[in-house]
Amino acid sequence: LAKTTQPISMDSYEGQEVNITCSHNNIATNDYITWYQQFPSQGPRFIIQGYKTKVTNEVASLFIPADRKSSTLSLPRVSLSDTAVYYCLVAESGGSYIPTFGRGTSLIVHP
Amino acid sequence: EAGVAQSPRYKIIEKRQSVAFWCNPISGHATLYWYQQILGQGPKLLIQFQNNGVVDDSQLPKDRFSAERLKGVDSTLKIQPAKLEDSAVYLCASTLGGGNVYEQYFGPGTRLTVT
Repeated sequence: LAKTTQPISMDSYEGQEVNITCSHNNIATNDYITWYQQFPSQGPRFIIQGYKTKVTNEVASLFIPADRKSSTLSLPRVSLSDTAVYYCLVAESGGSYIPTFGRGTSLIVHP
Repeated sequence: EAGVAQSPRYKIIEKRQSVAFWCNPISGHATLYWYQQILGQGPKLLIQFQNNGVVDDSQLPKDRFSAERLKGVDSTLKIQPAKLEDSAVYLCASTLGGGNVYEQYFGPGTRLTVT
């Protein structure tokens, strides 16, 4: 079981770049890294997933070093609407994907 | 494309009563998940279905919780009898399966309050 560790909370200001790092020291060879965003009173929303190096989409970038023991979600030029909880998940190895959410990182963006 | 539908959105019951939640996943999605999210915590997986078969229910309190997914489409989650600690948001999610198992689509959830 690849347990994840994230900061409990982060603060930022509008227009800044925000980097949220997730540690997953026991990640297995076949595991993927996935990030979700959750606003209050809503279900989580898939943001991005990756296996190694860098992945970028219209919302965020995901940086994964060669040892894959951590990953960093990068949100460019955040706005107030990016205030949410961000979860890092690592797929459990050994067959079926059993998703395990931690407590996530509560990001607050200030004006 | 319609999203994951859940009903009801809110439910208030007294302890020891029964309650049922309904979920309709995105059309064609083979995998369906039920989660429990207690305030301030991340979602906790209760049960995972692949079509109408159970993949994992290791965290489902089977003495009081049950779930079914008949015909591999809609699903219901039932609690009988409810306890105070069951107060939470119950989320349903679905995925296409195959190579896209990691991208889950979540419904709006059902907020349960047990008094």
